[in-house]
Formats: sequence, C-alpha cells, structure tokens
Amino acid sequence: AQTVTQSQPEMSVQEAETVTLSCTYDTSENNYYLFWYKQPPSRQMILVIRQEAYKQQNATENRFSVNFQKAAKSFSLKISDSQLGDTAMYFCAFIFNSGGSNYKLTFGKGTLLTVNP
Amino acid sequence: GAGVSQSPSNKVTEKGKDVELRCDPISGHTALYWYRQSLGQGLEFLIYFQGNSAPDKSGLPSDRFSAERTGGSVSTLTIQRTQQEDSAVYLCASSFGQGIYEQYFGPGTRLTVT
Repeated sequence: AQTVTQSQPEMSVQEAETVTLSCTYDTSENNYYLFWYKQPPSRQMILVIRQEAYKQQNATENRFSVNFQKAAKSFSLKISDSQLGDTAMYFCAFIFNSGGSNYKLTFGKGTLLTVNP
Repeated sequence: GAGVSQSPSNKVTEKGKDVELRCDPISGHTALYWYRQSLGQGLEFLIYFQGNSAPDKSGLPSDRFSAERTGGSVSTLTIQRTQQEDSAVYLCASSFGQGIYEQYFGPGTRLTVT
C-alpha cells in the first residue's frame, strides 16, 4: 500500500517570503498523480496544484510550484510571496492512475502553515 | 456554480445514538466520496460511489457505518450506535470521474459524540 509522509507538522513564514513544504511518498507503482490540498480554518479542502507522475516538468500555479523528484519519491510545494491568506493546513496526497483504486486519495498527516504579518 | 454542500455543519450527539450526515454533490458529478478526518488518524477514505456501480465500502471502519446514494445524486452517511471514537470531521467530495479528475470537497460535518 502507498504511504504519504509530511515530516513538518508546523511551519511559519513571514509575509512576502518563500516557504517550502516537504512530502515524500512510497509506492511500487509507476502511474499515479500527486496533489497538494489546502484546508483553511473554514475546513473547505481546496486543490492547490497537481502533478502527473509521467511528466518530468514541474507543475506551477501562479505563486505555487512543486519540485517533483520521482526517483527520490519526493514532492515538495514551494509558496512564493507568501500571503496572509495562505495560512492553512496543507495536505500532500497521492492517487493511482490505473487499476482498481484510482479514486482513493491517500493523504499525508498535513503541515500547518502560518503566515505572519 | 454551487459547490459540494454538507449538512449539518456541526452535530453533537450522545453515545449510542444514530446520526445521519448528508452530502449534495456538484450537479453532473458521477463520482462521490466520503472521507473522515480525525486527530489521530488524519484523513481516511471511507466509501466511493460511481454512477450505478456497486460502491467501494472498503474504508468503512465497522458495520455501524453505512452509506447510500439515491438517484446518483445525494448521499447519506449513517452511523449507528455512535461511539466517542467516531468523533471527527466527515468530508464529502465529488468529481467528474476517477484518477486525475479533481475531487471537490464540501465543508464537512464536525461530529462530536459525548
């Protein structure tokens, strides 16, 4: 079974600075997707960014980008120009792209990010 | 358009009572998921519905938990004889399909069993 590990339970960053959240995963499969979800205090899980495992190019979405290292099974999230609204719990998640379980998201334990003014 | 909605937002119940949690998916989404978010276990998959196919109930923690999806739309998660360890946030999500398709989450129901 696949596992997702986020080794940083909490992090903080000053407004306008850059922060990187770590995520590692373990799977024997080759065809999968990785996601970062954001959960603010409102509890609403919001997709931040996704990465297809077969793509070598790292995904970017405005101020959010990932560093995907497939061989190392690492998937870190970089937030540039941090804003107060980025304060939230961030979850790394994994899903298969084929087979019988390509609908179950497996989540890490989350990293609580606080952006300080 | 409207997102995934869940009701109630918060539910406090006494141990041993039954509770029903409701999820309204995004219109047109054929896939519906329930996850549980608790302090000790993080986010766990509970159950998956896809169209008229038999649901995947493999994540349900015990036979006190059941779920149904009527008419391919609204879903109800029922917990019978609630226990204190059932206290958690129950999240519902829906999507157009599987794999790469984004799962859109509702705001969740916070269940507290006293």
